Amino acid sequence: LAKTTQPISMDSYEGQEVNITCSHNNIATNDYITWYQQFPSQGPRFIIQGYKTKVTNEVASLFIPADRKSSTLSLPRVSLSDTAVYYCLVPIGSSNTGKLIFGQGTTLQVKP
Amino acid sequence: NAGVTQTPKFQVLKTGQSMTLQCAQDMNHEYMSWYRQDPGMGLRLIHYSVGAGITDQGEVPNGYNVSRSTTEDFPLRLLSAAPSQTSVYFCASSSNLQGDEQFFGPGTRLTVL
Repeated sequence: LAKTTQPISMDSYEGQEVNITCSHNNIATNDYITWYQQFPSQGPRFIIQGYKTKVTNEVASLFIPADRKSSTLSLPRVSLSDTAVYYCLVPIGSSNTGKLIFGQGTTLQVKP
Repeated sequence: NAGVTQTPKFQVLKTGQSMTLQCAQDMNHEYMSWYRQDPGMGLRLIHYSVGAGITDQGEVPNGYNVSRSTTEDFPLRLLSAAPSQTSVYFCASSSNLQGDEQFFGPGTRLTVL
């Protein structure tokens, strides 16, 4: 069963690049990796999803090495408003089961 | 589109009471799920559905029932509320099994006394 491991917390300063790594040693061949952001008292919000190599959108990049046992979410030039909890999401078991499990999340604190 | 809606926003129950948390989506998504989030913790999957008439258990299904009679609705029933079920409950939907952009509702904050 795929299971994720992330750092519990990270600190950064405004304007810096932040990289959050998620380990998923048992990810299946066809599984995607998805990252979410959550602010207090709100539901999680989709950030980015990838399968291999690198994916980039307007808010983040996702790096996935060839062995796909980990992935790194990269947030360029963070601001105070990026302070949130970030979750790495992979399917449990076969990707056709529909069972998607959140990791424990990484609390990012951006300081001025 | 309203997206994913949940009712009620807040609820207080006494131990042993039953209730249903409502979730609806208007995006014609096949995949829907329920999560609970305890204070300071991550989200845990309770039940999920990959389409109308199909439901399955997540990580923490005990004490909860679900049904999926329509594509739009996915209610969560608490059979006999317990203080351990005090939590924030989130419903989510997405268009495919890989969870390509799950859309989350605003949550229901439940307190069981």
